[in-house]
Amino acid sequence: GENVEQHPSTLSVQEGDSAVIKCTYSDSASNYFPWYKQELGKRPQLIIDIRSNVGEKKDQRIAVTLNKTAKHFSLHITETQPEDSAVYFCAASKGSSYKLIFGSGTRLLVRP
Amino acid sequence: SQTIHQWPATLVQPVGSPLSLECTVEGTSNPNLYWYRQAAGRGLQLLFYSVGIGQISSEVPQNLSASRPQDRQFILSSKKLLLSDSGFYLCAWGGDAGNTIYFGEGSWLTVV
Repeated sequence: GENVEQHPSTLSVQEGDSAVIKCTYSDSASNYFPWYKQELGKRPQLIIDIRSNVGEKKDQRIAVTLNKTAKHFSLHITETQPEDSAVYFCAASKGSSYKLIFGSGTRLLVRP
Repeated sequence: SQTIHQWPATLVQPVGSPLSLECTVEGTSNPNLYWYRQAAGRGLQLLFYSVGIGQISSEVPQNLSASRPQDRQFILSSKKLLLSDSGFYLCAWGGDAGNTIYFGEGSWLTVV
């Protein structure tokens, strides 16, 4: 079955710096890659997603890139702010599956 | 618009007691429904998913069970709770296969 690996497990950056979180997936048939942000004690919420027919997608300060050949995708956050501090999860699924497979999460800390 | 609700929000249960967590979705029909568990500081573990009334797929063998008595209702149960059942339980819904899922507010379960 699909396996998603996520790195790093923790990431600490200075406010205003950029943060990058990387994920790799095992099933080459996967074609949908969402990213979720989970604040302490809250539910995970979708922040951005990308499909396999697109190499990059941007939404203000966040962007996701996808490399299908290498089977990895990354989340980029620019000009980080303290409110970006949270746990971020990547996930992958394919069109024939009802299951969304999550990475293990990255705890991002933005230092003021 | 679609909304998802789950309850109770928090509960403290003694070892060996039963459990019932309930989740309902509004604003959509025939959703795919999911139960995830998140141990403290850990990732998202898929427990069960359902693609229709009475259809339950189990991902992890355990002392939990799930039922879907109505189209937009999903219930997580246990006859006898274990200490290891403690965690943050998240219900989620999704549309077609290979698409985003959206989480409920979560239920904090502490087994004592």
